[in-house]
Amino acid sequence: NAGVTQTPKFQVLKTGQSMTLQCAQDMNHNSMYWYRQDPGMGLRLIYYSASEGTTDKGEVPNGYNVSRLNKREFSLRLESAAPSQTSVYFCASSERANTQYFGPGTRLTVL
Amino acid sequence: AQSVTQLGSHVSVSEGALVLLRCNYSSSVPPYLFWYVQYPNQGLQLLLKYTTGATLVKGINGFEAEFKKSETSFHLTKPSAHMSDAAEYFCAVSEGGTGGYQKVTFGIGTKLQVIP
Repeated sequence: NAGVTQTPKFQVLKTGQSMTLQCAQDMNHNSMYWYRQDPGMGLRLIYYSASEGTTDKGEVPNGYNVSRLNKREFSLRLESAAPSQTSVYFCASSERANTQYFGPGTRLTVL
Repeated sequence: AQSVTQLGSHVSVSEGALVLLRCNYSSSVPPYLFWYVQYPNQGLQLLLKYTTGATLVKGINGFEAEFKKSETSFHLTKPSAHMSDAAEYFCAVSEGGTGGYQKVTFGIGTKLQVIP
């Protein structure tokens, strides 16, 4: 099993450009999450999908949109990137007992 | 509301010395508690977790943690540090439940440096 995969691994954008971060899991988990990680701030939840067909805002949703394409895939879109969105983005999935399984991350720089 | 406090954003230990990383939590219901480890340029992976039952939990790579309800703590320990333990460690709390979704709150992380 690949677990949780994310593409791309690295991305550089100019302010105002858009992009979509892709995430897929092969563990048949119902719930999926997008976090951003910034130095000294830990992980902050952007959006989550408790189950296929549902999405909800997390702690820092402004400037982002998500799509739960099917049970396996959960994408994060930046419509108009800003320098404040420079971060490392992690996708995660979970099923029982709250354990979350994380992808390897996408390192995004917005110039 | 739930929260996590990790004391010390950076901890340095000598190789072979005891590792102690501190975590205190607050939760309005019986919590589930987790420690995750993040190696450089990688995602987080589960080190150990407490849900119910035995309060001393053993994890991978020789780590263990003890749930102390009276102290609202879940400190992570390892008797003898190894160079490969150098990483960032995150404590996390959730409000439990057997459903698919549970809100998880992460601490800000503690970077462990191991000195040869």
